Amino acid sequence: DVKVTQSSRYLVKRTGEKVFLECVQDMDHENMFWYRQDPGLGLRLIYFSYDVKMKEKGDIPEGYSVSREKKERFSLILESASTNQTSMYLCASSYVSGGQSLETQYFGPGTRLLVL
Amino acid sequence: KNEVEQSPQNLTAQEGEFITINCSYSVGISALHWLQQHPGGGIVSLFMLSSGKKKHGRLIATINIQEKHSSLHITASHPRDSAVYICAVRGGGRGDMRFGAGTRLTVKP
Repeated sequence: DVKVTQSSRYLVKRTGEKVFLECVQDMDHENMFWYRQDPGLGLRLIYFSYDVKMKEKGDIPEGYSVSREKKERFSLILESASTNQTSMYLCASSYVSGGQSLETQYFGPGTRLLVL
Repeated sequence: KNEVEQSPQNLTAQEGEFITINCSYSVGISALHWLQQHPGGGIVSLFMLSSGKKKHGRLIATINIQEKHSSLHITASHPRDSAVYICAVRGGGRGDMRFGAGTRLTVKP
């Protein structure tokens, strides 16, 4: 079974703090993703990575950065947390099979972040 | 207008009822996914469709590419089916996945 783990289930931070969210997958997947999920909006892509040290911006990258130094680990960084970054953060990974267009994503359990 | 619209937003059913959740999309897609999210937050993939119909146990997913519409059906619903069901469509690019806002299903015993 594919396992995607996230470093914390719940996190409380203060405005202005630097926040690190880590995601690790154990199936040698090429692609990794960071999403945020807010009520009524669905999942929105923040960043994704298709290889070590490679990254691409998603729909809402402002205020976030990412790091992928090893294939199994993808980190999301909030350089200076703000209250509007209070959200559920979900990491996912996927492999490429039969062409990229049919990849299935495997999700971590999520990190619920509260910024005060 | 969202590129992926789901209906209804919320659905309450009695155990044993037949349930339908709808998904309409406005973009060209290569595949459509149905996902299930339980109250703890974890998301699992139920189906991936590019045409026709798929069945897994009591769950059936259909897609009509011409009408840009998909449905997820649950037969003989059970309280353990209570979850948020999310429709997601896949475009052509690596990160090009668009998600619906989800349908919250509650099945009462």
